[in-house]
Amino acid sequence: DTGVSQDPRHKITKRGQNVTFRCDPISEHNRLYWYRQTLGQGPEFLTYFQNEAQLEKSRLLSDRFSAERPKGSFSTLEIQRTEQGDSAMYLCAYNEQFFGPGTRLTVL
Amino acid sequence: QKEVEQNSGPLSVPEGAIASLNCTYSDRVSQSFFWYRQYSGKSPELIMSIYSNGDKEDGRFTAQLNKASQYVSLLIRDSQPSDSATYLCAVRGAGGSYIPTFGRGTSLIVHP
Repeated sequence: DTGVSQDPRHKITKRGQNVTFRCDPISEHNRLYWYRQTLGQGPEFLTYFQNEAQLEKSRLLSDRFSAERPKGSFSTLEIQRTEQGDSAMYLCAYNEQFFGPGTRLTVL
Repeated sequence: QKEVEQNSGPLSVPEGAIASLNCTYSDRVSQSFFWYRQYSGKSPELIMSIYSNGDKEDGRFTAQLNKASQYVSLLIRDSQPSDSATYLCAVRGAGGSYIPTFGRGTSLIVHP
């Protein structure tokens, strides 16, 4: 157990709906990453925060994706107008060490 | 486009043998290298990080880095069935970039 929690653990939604995921650490960590992982692939970088500042965002990420990290602690990732191609495991990680358990998104 | 290449496997080794996992990367200025283990249905867990050429040992695990040849490897000694998992290599660049690029992982099977 890394002490990182993600909520929800599973999300099933219909195409076109908005979803929001949350990532919480137990203690403060400097860098926070969001990744997306599909079966048979490594984690794909989505976005990165250092404290509360969002420093980088993948060029592959469409405008439907947005992330926040208020006060530099927990973070949220929102996907608007979900598409079937968004179905994946969404992982957050603090620094390079501590991955959360992930949120599995299924878009019907 | 930074690339990290791993043989997807599966790599099958008998219990007690040495498992050797390899990773090559395209960005010559990469500075930080990470190996993760990922069990099926679980999130990755960091095994080792290495930053300098040469070997770094931690228990049964040894990471080897050769920047000139742009490869990093992970050796697992005395492999156990519980080591059966997917092993992910990640590479992070230089110049203040903290974005790791992951390979697709190598599936390791340790059979009794």
